Amino acid sequence: SAVISQKPSRDICQRGTSLTIQCQVDSQVTMMFWYRQQPGQSLTLIATANQGSEATYESGFVIDKFPISRPNLTFSTLTVSNMSPEDSSIYLCSAYEPTDGYTFGSGTRLTVV
Amino acid sequence: GQQLNQSPQSMFIQEGEDVSMNCTSSSIFNTWLWYKQDPGEGPVLLIALYKAGELTSNGRLTAQFGITRKDSFLNISASIPSDVGIYFCAGPRGSNYKLTFGKGTLLTVNP
Repeated sequence: SAVISQKPSRDICQRGTSLTIQCQVDSQVTMMFWYRQQPGQSLTLIATANQGSEATYESGFVIDKFPISRPNLTFSTLTVSNMSPEDSSIYLCSAYEPTDGYTFGSGTRLTVV
Repeated sequence: GQQLNQSPQSMFIQEGEDVSMNCTSSSIFNTWLWYKQDPGEGPVLLIALYKAGELTSNGRLTAQFGITRKDSFLNISASIPSDVGIYFCAGPRGSNYKLTFGKGTLLTVNP
């Protein structure tokens, strides 16, 4: 199955700044997704990263706050913009390929101070 | 929208005991997935179920896809300390491959 490298694995950021998280897959995948996992909570889908076009966002998430890029079939980035302490969460990249199913990265643990 | 109700929320058991957790939904799912998440890691797939009534095992883990397609359970037999973690059920919504997750079951195993 696909292997996902996600970085950084963790970061502590000042409020008002932005952080870009990178997700690299070792093979071409059909779908890539970004999830947020708030402390003690389950995973919530932020958006579907579409190759070569704008991401598709779930209700409650907007492009200005969480811009996403997917320039090719193996790479995507998520930016958390103008951060506040409420953005402190684990952010997870996921890939889906019909032959492999779903794979998750190890996550980026973000703390905003 | 489709929601998954997972229970119990947490479990504290002794090493060697069996564990059971389940997920239910008001909507039909065509696939049920069970994941385990260790601290500081992303979820790792344990078992995938694709057919109503399907019973699948992976070592000491057994999961079943309910016949109504609205529920699934995961059993762990003879638990060991490394079974500690959070277990999630999940299923794709419709045909767009987006996963909905249950709220998770936190398992603690006392040696």
